[in-house]
Amino acid sequence: GAGVSQSPSNKVTEKGKDVELRCDPISGHTALYWYRQSLGQGLEFLIYFQGNSAPDKSGLPSDRFSAERTGGSVSTLTIQRTQQEDSAVYLCASSRGTGPYPLHFGNGTRLTVT
Amino acid sequence: DQQVKQNSPSLSVQEGRISILNCDYTNSMFDYFLWYKKYPAEGPTFLISISSIKDKNEDGRFTVFLNKSAKHLSLHIVPSQPGDSAVYFCAASEGGGNTPLVFGKGTRLSVIA
Repeated sequence: GAGVSQSPSNKVTEKGKDVELRCDPISGHTALYWYRQSLGQGLEFLIYFQGNSAPDKSGLPSDRFSAERTGGSVSTLTIQRTQQEDSAVYLCASSRGTGPYPLHFGNGTRLTVT
Repeated sequence: DQQVKQNSPSLSVQEGRISILNCDYTNSMFDYFLWYKKYPAEGPTFLISISSIKDKNEDGRFTVFLNKSAKHLSLHIVPSQPGDSAVYFCAASEGGGNTPLVFGKGTRLSVIA
């Protein structure tokens, strides 16, 4: 069956430009999560959605980061005025809901800011 | 302040032997724990989970043990296979999974044939 799909798989951008990352969750999954993994680090929580609402935005590193989810499905993570420290793999995951359900991850978007 | 710690960055084990990956946590409110496996250029894949009402959960070659008093969990892989070579992440959540998972930094397992 179809898993979580992320696009693009790789993105190279110049410092100061805006980027938009996309996530298509597993059909029927109501919860959607964004994490990022910097080199040599664990997975850092950014934001999650239950339906179209974002109950917890506590992990967003700065106001340059924003995310939205429409129709309870596709989500986009936008980074404005990118900085070199934003370089990381951005991972999206979905689950059946909040609760004791495992997260299913996409393969990530590798973002490189030059 | 790391709430989930995997203190061994790497582990090498011979094929057929047992692999034991360890994880410690500091937040006593965590009550749902998971292990994920990650291959290069892929997203993490869910392996096995355990809730705090249990101290052991088994799925095929994979067993997770939870010691709540020590705030410690471990993943046992028996027998280890070369295809198990990957980075393993421990993760934890509060409220029965109602809060976002907090991940450790991972342990790279190498299974040598």
